[in-house]
Amino acid sequence: SQQGEEDPQALSIQEGENATMNCSYKTSINNLQWYRQNSGRGLVHLILIRSNEREKHSGRLRVTLDTSKKSSSLLITASRAADTASYFCATEETGANNLFFGTGTRLTVIP
Amino acid sequence: KAGVTQTPRYLIKTRGQQVTLSCSPISGHRSVSWYQQTPGQGLQFLFEYFSETQRNKGNFPGRFSGRQFSNSRSEMNVSTLELGDSALYLCASSPVLGSTGELFFGEGSRLTVL
Repeated sequence: SQQGEEDPQALSIQEGENATMNCSYKTSINNLQWYRQNSGRGLVHLILIRSNEREKHSGRLRVTLDTSKKSSSLLITASRAADTASYFCATEETGANNLFFGTGTRLTVIP
Repeated sequence: KAGVTQTPRYLIKTRGQQVTLSCSPISGHRSVSWYQQTPGQGLQFLFEYFSETQRNKGNFPGRFSGRQFSNSRSEMNVSTLELGDSALYLCASSPVLGSTGELFFGEGSRLTVL
């Protein structure tokens, strides 16, 4: 399978804390994206980082990419109950024409 | 701008039947991709249509097929349904072919096969 793997599978934190989730992949990529999915709903795009970028910020989100380790991390700062969702990384692999999604991290933010 | 619309949202079928799901992309988007999401396999790419042509296909059997119309609306069909076809089917649209940018997802069609 060309899917990425995410770690941890589940994460539970208190409101106001930071949440970090990691994604590892196996091949060279053009870009990596993060998506959020509320239970049983569609996915919402959060952020895209290209292979020549190392870090990107968007509001309370910070994404890093280490192509030498084939890994990425998503940091959500000052978490809120509304951040409770599943988070997926998706890679556009070099030579491929579709996204490969990771297995997801289920984040629960406790009010 | 209206988002991606998928119909129906929920449906129940029995083994051996066939099903057709519909997806209306965001206005101006010409690419429509379909994904199957199950607890065991996660999100799996089915196929992508662009300008009425299938441009890319995942590793699914021929029972899974699709098409795209001139207005970019897309349908996917699953014939001879199996229990394992129970899943959330997600459609995503994009203004460009492939995955060079953001995908816009619909809410999904949840299929249960009994």
